[in-house]
Amino acid sequence: AQSVAQPEDQVNVAEGNPLTVKCTYSVSGNPYLFWYVQYPNRGLQFLLKYITGDNLVKGSYGFEAEFNKSQTSFHLKKPSALVSDSALYFCAPGGSQGNLIFGKGTKLSVKP
Amino acid sequence: KAGVTQTPRYLIKTRGQQVTLSCSPISGHRSVSWYQQTPGQGLQFLFEYFSETQRNKGNFPGRFSGRQFSNSRSEMNVSTLELGDSALYLCASSLVLTGGAPNTQYFGPGTRLTVL
Repeated sequence: AQSVAQPEDQVNVAEGNPLTVKCTYSVSGNPYLFWYVQYPNRGLQFLLKYITGDNLVKGSYGFEAEFNKSQTSFHLKKPSALVSDSALYFCAPGGSQGNLIFGKGTKLSVKP
Repeated sequence: KAGVTQTPRYLIKTRGQQVTLSCSPISGHRSVSWYQQTPGQGLQFLFEYFSETQRNKGNFPGRFSGRQFSNSRSEMNVSTLELGDSALYLCASSLVLTGGAPNTQYFGPGTRLTVL
């Protein structure tokens, strides 16, 4: 069975500092991995995805994610956090049916 | 391109009623998926439609159903509403879900359903 874990319910970061939001996954076959962000009372916005190729994936709004096959991780990173990055972040492997399997989400709080 | 649109944005119903939610995908997208988001269960996959056919289904009771029209617009219906059906219902569209490498799904703003 495919699954995903986001071990931190909340991550607190000071503005200007680097941020990391962690994600580990368990899938059969090739992993297809996505990150989405959700702002309050909004739908999910696509940030980036890993299908194949370079382990470092660059996405929207300055975010990037590092795919690590041996550790089955796909951590989301940003070199310098902004207050406006505060939101709920979801890691989602692609399921066997083509759907997305979402983690519980990690709330990112960036303080000025 | 216009994004995914969902109507209505907010809905209040009482137990036992039924409800229909609508989703218009991004132009050219033929696959529409529906998800339920609740604080307790998180985001859960309901079903996916492609070419007016339900191709995939999550683990939800038969009270949850949907359909897709020839223009790719989709509706989902929940009959005999229960309190636990209160949730944010999200629709997502993509070019096509092949069962291989998935295309990116783009989400609408959701419909907030409250069951009293």
